[in-house]
Amino acid sequence: DSGVTQTPKHLITATGQRVTLRCSPRSGDLSVYWYQQSLDQGLQFLIQYYNGEERAKGNILERFSAQQFPDLHSELNLSSLELGDSALYFCASSLELAVTLDEQYFGPGTRLTVT
Amino acid sequence: AQKVTQAQTEISVVEKEDVTLDCVYETRDTTYYLFWYKQPPSGELVFLIRRNSFDEQNEISGRYSWNFQKSTSSFNFTITASQVVDSAVYFCALSEAGQGGKLIFGQGTELSVKP
Repeated sequence: DSGVTQTPKHLITATGQRVTLRCSPRSGDLSVYWYQQSLDQGLQFLIQYYNGEERAKGNILERFSAQQFPDLHSELNLSSLELGDSALYFCASSLELAVTLDEQYFGPGTRLTVT
Repeated sequence: AQKVTQAQTEISVVEKEDVTLDCVYETRDTTYYLFWYKQPPSGELVFLIRRNSFDEQNEISGRYSWNFQKSTSSFNFTITASQVVDSAVYFCALSEAGQGGKLIFGQGTELSVKP
C-alpha cells in the first residue's frame, strides 16, 4: 500500500458526461501528479500540482482540468467525455517539487469506462 | 526531446531463469533521473528504483539488479532466479531536472514467469 488513495476505483459513464476523480496524497506529501494509462497511448503525464499551485503540464486535453485543495487532496475533472477517454487514471504523490529530490508513489488508479 | 524505449513488448521465461529487461532513453539534459516501476496484474504501479545521471554504479537489491550505462543511454533491469510472482508489466521512466515531477514512461515490458 503506497499510502495514496483514489476514489472511485471504477467509473462507468456515457459519452458527453462529466466526472470527477479524487486523490488523497500520502500524509505530508505536497506534490500531486495525474497520469493516464490507455492501451494506445501508454502511460502519459497529465499535470502536476505542488502545494496548491499548478507546476507542470503534459498532454492534458482542454476538456480536462485539475486542482489541488488546501488540504492537499486533488481532483481531476473530465468533461464532454468521449469513448477515447476510457483509461486508467493514476494519481501519484511526492514530498518535494521535483523528482531530483523524491520519488513518486502511485495510487491504485481509477478505471474510467465511457460507453 | 525526452523519450524512453522498451523494445521488448513481451518476455516469457520459466521460473528460476534470469531475465533482463532493456531500457534505452533519450534526453538532451545532463541532469536527469531514471526509474523502474512494476505493474502487477492487480494494476497498481510499484516504485522499484530511482537513479540519477551522475551515479553510474550498478545497484543490486535482492534478486533485482540494475545496470546504468550513460555511454549507451541504457538502464537495464535484471531479475535473477525469476519467480512466478515477478510476472508483471515493468516500466522504465525518465525525468529531467527542471521539469518538476514529470515522468516520461516507456511502453512497458510484460514479463510472464511460468512455473
